[in-house]
Amino acid sequence: EVQVVQSGVEVKKPGESLKISCQASGYRFSSYWIGWVRQMPGKGLEWMGMIYPVDSDTRYSPSFQGQVTISADKSIRTAYLQWSSLKASDTAMYYCASEDGDNFVRYWGQGTLVTVSS
Amino acid sequence: DIQMTQSPSTLSASVGDRVTITCRASQSIDSWLAWYQHKPGTAPKVLIYKASSLESGVPSRFSGSGSETEFTLTISSLQPEDFATYYCQQSYSTPRTFGGGTKVEIK
Repeated sequence: EVQVVQSGVEVKKPGESLKISCQASGYRFSSYWIGWVRQMPGKGLEWMGMIYPVDSDTRYSPSFQGQVTISADKSIRTAYLQWSSLKASDTAMYYCASEDGDNFVRYWGQGTLVTVSS
Repeated sequence: DIQMTQSPSTLSASVGDRVTITCRASQSIDSWLAWYQHKPGTAPKVLIYKASSLESGVPSRFSGSGSETEFTLTISSLQPEDFATYYCQQSYSTPRTFGGGTKVEIK
């Protein structure tokens, strides 16, 4: 059975750092790109970036380049999304999204809600 | 980056209606397009991939068509469980990009 499990709800203050995770099982994790998708309150889906776990090749959307860091540890089938200094505007739901061989997202995590507030 | 433009942004329809959503790409993406359904509190779910391939388990009332820059998602007979937001996404190149979404509401 395929499972993509994300870490839990986070409540942080502006300026704090954060690393959220996404652990996959039941399919060939390292063989496919894994992306992160943001949904701000009341807004649509935004593709943030993606990583290929085999060689850690990472691609960012221009809006997120320099704002977050995407990484992966293929030995534990886990991808990460990291901020060094959170802003209130980072408040959103973040989804982990694993592509299939046909370049679409077949497997989604359940989402991690991040709230940044003073 | 490839821009994806969906229309309409909101659609009001009744159960049993035929519904069509359009997605346009700013450049040719061949058939590298997927459609997702998203309901509040749940993860998005793929309906269609490679423009017209129906994902396993998805009802046959959903269909996709198009290529290059113009794509459509059609729901042949809208059911109560279909009220949701629908997104197109291109996977021709990185960065991947989503359309702005189409919210299908009850009329």
